[in-house]
Amino acid sequence: GDSVTQTEGLVTVTEGLPVKLNCTYQTTYLTIAFFWYVQYLNEAPQVLLKSSTDNKRTEHQGFHATLHKSSSSFHLQKSSAQLSDSALYYCALSDRNTGNYKYVFGAGTRLKVIA
Amino acid sequence: GGIITQTPKFLIGQEGQKLTLKCQQNFNHDTMYWYRQDSGKGLRLIYYSITENDLQKGDLSEGYDASREKKSSFSLTVTSAQKNEMAVFLCASSMDRGNTLYFGEGSRLIVV
Repeated sequence: GDSVTQTEGLVTVTEGLPVKLNCTYQTTYLTIAFFWYVQYLNEAPQVLLKSSTDNKRTEHQGFHATLHKSSSSFHLQKSSAQLSDSALYYCALSDRNTGNYKYVFGAGTRLKVIA
Repeated sequence: GGIITQTPKFLIGQEGQKLTLKCQQNFNHDTMYWYRQDSGKGLRLIYYSITENDLQKGDLSEGYDASREKKSSFSLTVTSAQKNEMAVFLCASSMDRGNTLYFGEGSRLIVV
């Protein structure tokens, strides 16, 4: 079946340093949309980035991600982590073309930024 | 813009009790979803609905029922609450497959 793998449960990084959250996937869908969602404490998950174009960098709020179909990856990166980035991050994919309406989520990565 | 409202924010019930969570959206989206959020397990799909009166089972539907009587609302019922079901339940909606999912703030189920 289709799956999304986020390899680390908790990532701790010092403020000002770069951060990378890993996301790889397996899917049989041909036309796919990929998402990064962020969930701050006691808030709803909200979309951070979205992409469906291979090898195109997508940026928002200082974060960026590039879909690489050759390596089945959509890693999230930021060059300088801020304390306010501490949150739970989910990678997800969704089929865009067939009759499948499901969104497949990874297990989530908790990012903790320390001073 | 729009908003998804989940009620109640906390639902406390006894073991074996039937409990219902409600979700309202004003995006005018066709598709709505119920997810269960457990730490370290991600978001697991319980039920979804692609239009009014449609219901589709997700990966975790056993022990749950759902109802979509209006386009704007989607309810989830825990048919017999168990202590190992204590979790946060998230409602979401989207315009269509492949589009951004919008989430509510969640309802926490507590079984005593």
